[in-house]
Amino acid sequence: SQTIHQWPATLVQPVGSPLSLECTVEGTSNPNLYWYRQAAGRGLQLLFYSVGIGQISSEVPQNLSASRPQDRQFILSSKKLLLSDSGFYLCAWSIGALTYYEQYFGPGTRLTVT
Amino acid sequence: KNEVEQSPQNLTAQEGEFITINCSYSVGISALHWLQQHPGGGIVSLFMLSSGKKKHGRLIATINIQEKHSSLHITASHPRDSAVYICAVSYQVKAAGNKLTFGGGTRVLVKP
Repeated sequence: SQTIHQWPATLVQPVGSPLSLECTVEGTSNPNLYWYRQAAGRGLQLLFYSVGIGQISSEVPQNLSASRPQDRQFILSSKKLLLSDSGFYLCAWSIGALTYYEQYFGPGTRLTVT
Repeated sequence: KNEVEQSPQNLTAQEGEFITINCSYSVGISALHWLQQHPGGGIVSLFMLSSGKKKHGRLIATINIQEKHSSLHITASHPRDSAVYICAVSYQVKAAGNKLTFGGGTRVLVKP
């Protein structure tokens, strides 16, 4: 069966510090991968998605970036965090690129920027 | 851009009551998803549907493609159903994966 892992579960970082959040998927090959953010009191927003290694598409311009160094690994990064980066970050995966499938979400990382 | 609207934003019910959450969207879609977010933040996919109706236990999801509307029903509600229910729509963009646009969520509280 497939599993999706995210770490860390919670993170408190000062403004201006770097960020690295990691997501890995087990039990499937060539998944589509997604990073979402849920800011306090707001809905989920798609940040990045990837349909293959090294292929990243950005949905929202910001100081965050994403990378996919391996087939089942998706990393969200920032060189300098802003207060507005605080939120709940979710990684998700799905199968298929030209047909639609359910998305499966990781447990999330709660980031507080102080 | 697809706008996804959910109603109500908040809902309080007594245990055993029938609950309905509504979702409407503005642009044609490939599929509509209903998600459940627990207080800790974890999200579970409940349904994905593109037509008709699906049932899983006490949960029923329906969609009307012509009216661009979906409903999620919870029958015989229980306090453990308390969560935020999120509607999301996906539309196919070639070689761009399965992108979701989310509604704002409906916070459901079921009292014993």
